[in-house]
Amino acid sequence: ILNVEQSPQSLHVQEGDSTNFTCSFPSSNFYALHWYRWETAKSPEALFVMTLNGDEKKKGRISATLNTKEGYSYLYIKGSQPEDSATYLCALSQDDYKLSFGAGTTVTVRA
Amino acid sequence: ETGVTQTPRHLVMGMTNKKSLKCEQHLGHNAMYWYKQSAKKPLELMFVYSLEERVENNSVPSRFSPECPNSSHLFLHLHTLQPEDSALYLCASRQGMNTEAFFGQGTRLTVV
Repeated sequence: ILNVEQSPQSLHVQEGDSTNFTCSFPSSNFYALHWYRWETAKSPEALFVMTLNGDEKKKGRISATLNTKEGYSYLYIKGSQPEDSATYLCALSQDDYKLSFGAGTTVTVRA
Repeated sequence: ETGVTQTPRHLVMGMTNKKSLKCEQHLGHNAMYWYKQSAKKPLELMFVYSLEERVENNSVPSRFSPECPNSSHLFLHLHTLQPEDSALYLCASRQGMNTEAFFGQGTRLTVV
């Protein structure tokens, strides 16, 4: 079982504020780091799949960075909106089809 | 709608019952997954199939039996489950190791 850790476990953000949170993972046999958003009563949906050290990806107000040498990724939400409230999962893909998830960071945006 | 369909959405079964969960994808993906989500725990990988061959069996009890008859369908056969097996069971699929996974809506299983 791969040790994919996310912190914090939960956070509350005021609408309009920006926030970020972390995913850490073992850097050996790295293939890809995934971020997913999981809203209540829905399926997890992919935000980003990152493969290269130093990768930065952006989708609207959400962006992510990747450091494969030190084994961490940050997810940033700029100008949080209530619709950003969800659990954000990161997952590690290694040299087989295994995809191992962290426990997630639950974000609650207060209007 | 993600292209991955799971049935049923909800299932209540007794400990002596036999039931099956079904997952179907028509995205042309070559890998399919079963995950278990228990309350306040991370998504737990149960089984992975790549090109209809099982490539991962994560020490799952034998009361869970997967079947992948073709690249579009995945089943999870359940028998003599325990109450602690009550959880959300999610199916996912993807194409290749560096691509995103697509998830179904899940089956909420309650064992009584």
